[in-house]
Amino acid sequence: DTGVSQNPRHKITKRGQNVTFRCDPISEHNRLYWYRQTLGQGPEFLTYFQNEAQLEKSRLLSDRFSAERPKGSFSTLEIQRTEQGDSAMYLCASSLAALGAPYEQYFGPGTRLTVT
Amino acid sequence: LAKTTQPISMDSYEGQEVNITCSHNNIATNDYITWYQQFPSQGPRFIIQGYKTKVTNEVASLFIPADRKSSTLSLPRVSLSDTAVYYCLLDGGSQGNLIFGKGTKLSVKP
Repeated sequence: DTGVSQNPRHKITKRGQNVTFRCDPISEHNRLYWYRQTLGQGPEFLTYFQNEAQLEKSRLLSDRFSAERPKGSFSTLEIQRTEQGDSAMYLCASSLAALGAPYEQYFGPGTRLTVT
Repeated sequence: LAKTTQPISMDSYEGQEVNITCSHNNIATNDYITWYQQFPSQGPRFIIQGYKTKVTNEVASLFIPADRKSSTLSLPRVSLSDTAVYYCLLDGGSQGNLIFGKGTKLSVKP
């Protein structure tokens, strides 16, 4: 399977714990995006990378959220001191980079986080 | 940031044409309009993208008026498998402006 993969698919954690999610993009894609999706809402953009550079992070929800893509391949999203409001589906997507019209994004299946 | 507005839900019957409109009054000059389809427990999947006028591919058409303040996704002859949530996305490309609408839940009945 050469699509976008995310691990774990489900995560249950207790309030106050830290969690980390991993995303493996399509290998030739140099852009990687993270979104959060809550029930009944559209995906909410959090951040994106072009290769290893994080080009937009102002939309991360708070300073408890951070993302890395150290070698320009896989990426991790970490949430520190989780709160019940962090319960959501976290989606990763990848695409090629473009100077003009954006390329389509390929989404992974998501990681569902439940904070108890 | 620009905001998008879509109908919450729509019903249709198999074989009919379905048109879903997205309003985006404050669209930026560099924003492209992209539509995605999402099934339960899956990530969204690309349908079509455009900047202005009309775009058509093998599954849908996208109509964008000259003022670009709205866009309409047209699905010809829907089937039961088209039951899903449809999102419009404003994508500023390299600008990193990515805004999804709340989605339109399309229910196709036999």
